[in-house]
Amino acid sequence: GAVVSQHPSWVICKSGTSVKIECRSLDFQATTMFWYRQFPKQSLMLMATSNEGSKATYEQGVEKDKFLINHASLTLSTLTVTSAHPEDSSFYICSARGGAQPQHFGDGTRLSIL
Amino acid sequence: QKEVEQNSGPLSVPEGAIASLNCTYSDRGSQSFFWYRQYSGKSPELIMFIYSNGDKEDGRFTAQLNKASQYVSLLIRDSQPSDSATYLCAVNDQAGTALIFGKGTTLSVSS
Repeated sequence: GAVVSQHPSWVICKSGTSVKIECRSLDFQATTMFWYRQFPKQSLMLMATSNEGSKATYEQGVEKDKFLINHASLTLSTLTVTSAHPEDSSFYICSARGGAQPQHFGDGTRLSIL
Repeated sequence: QKEVEQNSGPLSVPEGAIASLNCTYSDRGSQSFFWYRQYSGKSPELIMFIYSNGDKEDGRFTAQLNKASQYVSLLIRDSQPSDSATYLCAVNDQAGTALIFGKGTTLSVSS
């Protein structure tokens, strides 16, 4: 089945640090990748949608200058949380979709900002 | 505002029983419907998807869709303790790409 790899799985860093999260589709070409954020006991909230080779589309209320998304190839998208602060601590999950495939999720990245 | 509504639960069933999870959605133009299972601290895992009215069966799981009532459900037969998780209902938007998720129903299967 479709496999999406997300790395790293856990990050702990100081306030003000920038953190990059990678999302790779391992056995299919992901024309579209999605980035979600999930706070404890809440549902997934879509942050942005990225299509290979074009700028990401951000959901209302998500700062594009803070959450930089790059989808440079059909198998890789990255999310960079710039100058992270404690309120950015969350579970970040990517998903990928290619062709008629439903979305498949990566294992998520738990980000803790001290 | 497009919404997907689920009862947060917890829904408690004994081992071997049928668990019934329900979901309603507001966007009548929705095309595709998905059920994901999420264990605590893990990312969602796709269980089933359904596009057409009626039932779709896969092993112990049956998804049911009624577009007229804007209702989709998931039945889990012969529930096992390992089925204990949060089940997320998701609906695609009219562009056919981004999913809108409900808040999830927590299922607890007791042995």
